[in-house]
Amino acid sequence: DTGVSQDPRHKITKRGQNVTFRCDPISEHNRLYWYRQTLGQGPEFLTYFQNEAQLEKSRLLSDRFSAERPKGSFSTLEIQRTEQGDSAMYLCASSPGQGDNNEQFFGPGTRLTVL
Amino acid sequence: AQSVTQPDIHITVSEGASLELRCNYSYGATPYLFWYVQSPGQGLQLLLKYFSGDTLVQGIKGFEAEFKRSQSSFNLRKPSVHWSDAAEYFCAVGLSPGYSSASKIIFGSGTRLSIRP
Repeated sequence: DTGVSQDPRHKITKRGQNVTFRCDPISEHNRLYWYRQTLGQGPEFLTYFQNEAQLEKSRLLSDRFSAERPKGSFSTLEIQRTEQGDSAMYLCASSPGQGDNNEQFFGPGTRLTVL
Repeated sequence: AQSVTQPDIHITVSEGASLELRCNYSYGATPYLFWYVQSPGQGLQLLLKYFSGDTLVQGIKGFEAEFKRSQSSFNLRKPSVHWSDAAEYFCAVGLSPGYSSASKIIFGSGTRLSIRP
């Protein structure tokens, strides 16, 4: 399978713990995006990378959230001191980054439950 | 502010019947519009997209959508639904002129489609 992969698929944690999610984009896609989706809502943009550079961050991304893409390939999203309001599906997407009509390809998501 | 409105939270149609899912957007410039489908346990899949040109766009799985600038709408249609079409459908807008996928996508809140046997 050469699509976008995310790990883990599910994560249950206690409030106050730190969690880290991983996203592996489609090979040679140089743009990578993180979105958050809560129940009954559409995905909301969090941040995006062009290669290893983080070029945009949403105001939704509080100081407890940090994302990295150190080698321009996979990315990690870390949430520190989790809160119950962080419970959501975290989606990763990638795109080739060339041309005007590139499609963003989404992974299956990581579902986070904070108890 | 840019926004996407999907007025129908949940729609149920009979298998074989026609379908129309509504979408309205608010955006000051020429929009770049998308419809995605999300099945349980699956990632978002692009059904179709509009960037320019013909306002009637054909997509995968027999879906089509029509861009109507005067109504700020981009409704999704299918002439005959199948039980496998049951899923959540999201309308979305790409925010910058000359959208190059570097821009974030703004999603609507989704419409859940159920199929009656």
